[in-house]
Amino acid sequence: AQSVTQLDSHVSVSEGTPVLLRCNYSSSYSPSLFWYVQHPNKGLQLLLKYTSAATLVKGINGFEAEFKKSETSFHLTKPSAHMSDAAEYFCVVTFYNQGGKLIFGQGTELSVKP
Amino acid sequence: GAVVSQHPSWVICKSGTSVKIECRSLDFQATTMFWYRQFPKQSLMLMATSNEGSKATYEQGVEKDKFLINHASLTLSTLTVTSAHPEDSSFYICSAKVTGGQKNYGYTFGSGTRLTVV
Repeated sequence: AQSVTQLDSHVSVSEGTPVLLRCNYSSSYSPSLFWYVQHPNKGLQLLLKYTSAATLVKGINGFEAEFKKSETSFHLTKPSAHMSDAAEYFCVVTFYNQGGKLIFGQGTELSVKP
Repeated sequence: GAVVSQHPSWVICKSGTSVKIECRSLDFQATTMFWYRQFPKQSLMLMATSNEGSKATYEQGVEKDKFLINHASLTLSTLTVTSAHPEDSSFYICSAKVTGGQKNYGYTFGSGTRLTVV
């Protein structure tokens, strides 16, 4: 079965320290992978996407993610957290045989302490 | 970039009434629109997929007579919650697939609608 798992439901970091949000997928097909951010009562904003080009993907607001096929992972990182990064983050995957359907991870809530 | 405008952003309605939520693609043609539901502190759950000019495809467990989806044009898709009950209170989000010819540019999301049924 095709699925995506976010390993941490909640991550807390101090402002200025690195951020790591973990995501693993399960499928025998090649995926397209996305990270979205959601602020309270808002829609989703695309941070970055991987679609079989470069494995290291740079996104907005200093975020980046690396696609590792051998580990079936697509972890999101940022060198230095900012207070405005506090939000819910979703790892999302789609496969060519899914007709465009997105499969969402459970979400990771990022808290940033001053 | 591709923008989907979703309205209303929040709505309160009485139990038994119907509520319509609209999603419009502002600068592109959305041949496919996805409708999601999100409960507090939870992920998004796909309710249905709508394609312009055809009937929506509903996910298992979603009542198609309760959640009416219309995608009559390439720029407008609507979700109508009929005979709403308090358990329908939720955050509803639409998403459109952004394509250009054979190229898939990804997905863009509406800003969501907070529905509260009292």
